[in-house]
Amino acid sequence: LAKTTQPISMDSYEGQEVNITCSHNNIATNDYITWYQQFPSQGPRFIIQGYKTKVTNEVASLFIPADRKSSTLSLPRVSLSDTAVYYCLVGPISGSARQLTFGSGTQLTVLP
Amino acid sequence: EAGVAQSPRYKIIEKRQSVAFWCNPISGHATLYWYQQILGQGPKLLIQFQNNGVVDDSQLPKDRFSAERLKGVDSTLKIQPAKLEDSAVYLCASSPGKWEIKRENTEAFFGQGTRLTVV
Repeated sequence: LAKTTQPISMDSYEGQEVNITCSHNNIATNDYITWYQQFPSQGPRFIIQGYKTKVTNEVASLFIPADRKSSTLSLPRVSLSDTAVYYCLVGPISGSARQLTFGSGTQLTVLP
Repeated sequence: EAGVAQSPRYKIIEKRQSVAFWCNPISGHATLYWYQQILGQGPKLLIQFQNNGVVDDSQLPKDRFSAERLKGVDSTLKIQPAKLEDSAVYLCASSPGKWEIKRENTEAFFGQGTRLTVV
């Protein structure tokens, strides 16, 4: 399994764009990059997933360079409710081979 | 769509006692996961089922933990006997587990978890 490295914590202010970078130097060819968000007293929630280049959905964007050794989760115009822990996961996603291995995550605190 | 249901929500037991957690995954989801999340840490996978077969239980402390998924639907996780260090939130998750790589087949859905306190 590819090991991931993320910052332990980040602070931001409401309305700003937040970028959280994850390093995964030994990512395998069939690995995808998935980000989850976790609020206190809740289970993690899927945010976005990608393989290469850029993926965008209604809540975030995911930027993956050509070498795929890192990825950046971008949250546009954060609000106080975006305060949570964000996890970067790397691994295969097909059928029974699908693996969900969480690291320590990044605690994002959005300040007023 | 109903989410992943877990019960109980909270449990307090004394060390050396037994405890069981129950999970009802989203209907039709083939893959079911149990995670242990200690305060301040990321979730740690304990066991992964594909239908009623075990895919990965390498991190399950088998001397005290057991899990089953009879009929490939509901699952129970048991701890017997409990230790102080088992105090954690136990999370259940499910995903469709199909081979096609589509977002709707690969996203995992988590329950709210069971907070276990061993005293």
